[in-house]
Amino acid sequence: EDQVTQSPEALRLQEGESSSLNCSYTVSGLRGLFWYRQDPGKGPEFLFTLYSAGEEKEKERLKATLTKKESFLHITAPKPEDSATYLCAVPLSNDYKLSFGAGTTVTVRA
Amino acid sequence: DSGVTQTPKHLITATGQRVTLRCSPRSGDLSVYWYQQSLDQGLQFLIHYYNGEERAKGNILERFSAQQFPDLHSELNLSSLELGDSALYFCASSVAGKEQFFGPGTRLTVL
Repeated sequence: EDQVTQSPEALRLQEGESSSLNCSYTVSGLRGLFWYRQDPGKGPEFLFTLYSAGEEKEKERLKATLTKKESFLHITAPKPEDSATYLCAVPLSNDYKLSFGAGTTVTVRA
Repeated sequence: DSGVTQTPKHLITATGQRVTLRCSPRSGDLSVYWYQQSLDQGLQFLIHYYNGEERAKGNILERFSAQQFPDLHSELNLSSLELGDSALYFCASSVAGKEQFFGPGTRLTVL
């Protein structure tokens, strides 16, 4: 069965303390892996798409990487404004409906 | 701003009632997806429309239905509402096969 699992569930960081979030997936025929950021009560905000193992994407303090079985979202020198829930998702079937992980809630303290 | 709009932002109604949620996709996007997010279930896919045609259904209840109109906006209809239907409802739009951009959501509260 196709699954997306994120860890840890929650991450509390001091400002400037770099860390990584994990997203593991079991999907046959990966059609891409998406990372989103979601603030409380808001819609998910698109961050990155990764398509093949070895691919990396960067945006400000965030870098996403992809292997054959998992993806990592690295947060470098985080700031309090990076506090949010980070979601990864993979499309199921040719229809591209997304299957989301449960998310990692990141809290960055000043 | 993703370019996807949803109305209303908040909806409070009673059990047994029927409501309609509206979504306007980004300009040029033919695909509209609907998702439900509740505290215990996370983001769950409901239904996908492409250029007016239903393409896929997820675990959508029979009490729920959707449609996409010629101008590409979409509506999600929820009927015979139950307390458990209280959730955030998001729509997303995309160019086929590409990343989905989400709207701000409609928060539904069923009392």
